[in-house]
Amino acid sequence: NAGVTQTPKFRILKIGQSMTLQCTQDMNHNYMYWYRQDPGMGLKLIYYSVGAGITDKGEVPNGYNVSRSTTEDFPLRLELAAPSQTSVYFCASSWTSRPTDTQYFGPGTRLTVL
Amino acid sequence: GQQLNQSPQSMFIQEGEDVSMNCTSSSIFNTWLWYKQDPGEGPVLLIALYKAGELTSNGRLTAQFGITRKDSFLNISASIPSDVGIYFCAGDLSGGYNKLIFGAGTRLAVHP
Repeated sequence: NAGVTQTPKFRILKIGQSMTLQCTQDMNHNYMYWYRQDPGMGLKLIYYSVGAGITDKGEVPNGYNVSRSTTEDFPLRLELAAPSQTSVYFCASSWTSRPTDTQYFGPGTRLTVL
Repeated sequence: GQQLNQSPQSMFIQEGEDVSMNCTSSSIFNTWLWYKQDPGEGPVLLIALYKAGELTSNGRLTAQFGITRKDSFLNISASIPSDVGIYFCAGDLSGGYNKLIFGAGTRLAVHP
């Protein structure tokens, strides 16, 4: 049982490049989330999904896209990377959206856009 | 948007000392969560609080849900080197995880 896994661990992009951050969970959770963590700031929700085929915007969705074709996978797509997207990205999952169910986080992807 | 004020921003303590940190807000929360993030890892849930006044322990960690529902604190007793990391609070306004608000974190360093 690996929990939530993310790839890559680190990535450097040039302005305007695109990339996909991968996230997989093996706990059969319905809910999955993408957060970004900027220095000195709390986690901000980018997108979330309540199940395969269903996604919704979080607090900071601009510049990102997501898809959820399977229960296990929830990739995050950056189409035109900008320096403002330099951050650490965390994927998370939970059985329901209620805080009575534990939310599990992946180890993060550190992205730098130059 | 909603904000959580978490303090202190950082602490540098000697092994064996007790630690206290807190989160405050102008909003009333239904749930308070406390997480720890080890270097290079994702946050891990430490304690969840669901009722005003609730006091919950997890080993050497104790957290309380403030009576006003606008604050929460976390205490660590007899700190050890592996307590090093960033501690985050998070509050739920009853929207669930997709509406969770996170504090900026308290960075803890423990000197052996």
